[in-house]
Amino acid sequence: DGGITQSPKYLFRKEGQNVTLSCEQNLNHDAMYWYRQDPGQGLRLIYYSQIVNDFQKGDIAEGYSVSREKKESFPLTVTSAQKNPTAFYLCASSMDGRNEKLFFGSGTQLSVL
Amino acid sequence: AQSVTQLDSQVPVFEEAPVELRCNYSSSVSVYLFWYVQYPNQGLQLLLKYLSGSTLVKGINGFEAEFNKSQTSFHLRKPSVHISDTAEYFCAVSALNAGKSTFGDGTTLTVKP
Repeated sequence: DGGITQSPKYLFRKEGQNVTLSCEQNLNHDAMYWYRQDPGQGLRLIYYSQIVNDFQKGDIAEGYSVSREKKESFPLTVTSAQKNPTAFYLCASSMDGRNEKLFFGSGTQLSVL
Repeated sequence: AQSVTQLDSQVPVFEEAPVELRCNYSSSVSVYLFWYVQYPNQGLQLLLKYLSGSTLVKGINGFEAEFNKSQTSFHLRKPSVHISDTAEYFCAVSALNAGKSTFGDGTTLTVKP
């Protein structure tokens, strides 16, 4: 089945630690996105990539980093500079950069120990 | 820049009653409009979208929405809800060729027996 796979489903981070969230898609989509979801605040865009080896900052990029070395993969690293990382992280993709429709993964819940 | 306002954070309704979830948007350019649904601990899935053409858009699970350009609104409706419609609903807007979507804060629909 085609879709987006996020792993792990739950992740715990210690103080000062970097952690990486995985996102893989087999939809052959060009564009990929990372959103952060906090209760009552909707989705906020962290980073997005419209093509391999290129990505742009979203609205809340500070404390996060990404790479797009392969079309099907868009991992997100939550660095120690992100002081409030506890949230639900959603990865999404769309066919092209015109963003007509987003397909979402099932999310990763990140918590701080 | 674009923004989305979902006017109700929570909407309780009895089973088989009609429901309307309200969404207003702001943008200086033409936009695409979307409604997504999120069930607990899952990603979002598309309910319906407006790209162009008829202002009344029909989606999955019996939902429909009407685009009103003069009032910059895109309200979601269903004539008769089921218990299984209990979920979080997000309105989103994407400027044409912008490459990214902006989401509202969400509306929690709770259907009671």
